[in-house]
Amino acid sequence: DAKTTQPNSMESNEEEPVHLPCNHSTISGTDYIHWYRQLPSQGPEYVIHGLTSNVNNRMASLAIAEDRKSSTLILHRATLRDAAVYYCILRRANRDDKIIFGKGTRLHILP
Amino acid sequence: DGGITQSPKYLFRKEGQNVTLSCEQNLNHDAMYWYRQDPGQGLRLIYYSQIVNDFQKGDIAEGYSVSREKKESFPLTVTSAQKNPTAFYLCASSPSRASTEAFFGQGTRLTVV
Repeated sequence: DAKTTQPNSMESNEEEPVHLPCNHSTISGTDYIHWYRQLPSQGPEYVIHGLTSNVNNRMASLAIAEDRKSSTLILHRATLRDAAVYYCILRRANRDDKIIFGKGTRLHILP
Repeated sequence: DGGITQSPKYLFRKEGQNVTLSCEQNLNHDAMYWYRQDPGQGLRLIYYSQIVNDFQKGDIAEGYSVSREKKESFPLTVTSAQKNPTAFYLCASSPSRASTEAFFGQGTRLTVV
């Protein structure tokens, strides 16, 4: 299973952009890069995903390196509600799609 | 409303008893998953199922069992063989395509005393 590596924790000031990095050096050509976030005592919620090109949605942007060995989740203007654990995971486009989570990055937002 | 429902939210059991956690989805998703989360830790995969009547062990399947008799249901039984069953359990579902998002339930917090 391809693995991802993220920093344990990060801090950011409210109303500033946040860049959350993820390394996935063993990614295969059929792996999609997904991001989820989890608030305390809740189930994870989907944030964004991509394959090769950068992606934008109402929640965030995903920047994928040209060699696909790393990616960055960008929150354009952090709010206190963005404080959560962010998980970067790889999903393989075949039947053995296990959805394996790493430890994630705990994001602290400073008011 | 479409979604994935876990019940109950909180569950207490005595040591040595089996307990079954419910997970139901009405999203018509083929794939379903069970995870365990301990305090301050990430999610660990227990079992997953890509299709009805088929399921696979995840990384920590020992002491757990599942069934997938219906597409919308994927119950998890925590057996007495599970040595540390107290944890937060999360269920998820997804279309069987890696290009789509997975949906998670709100979890069941199991406490064994």
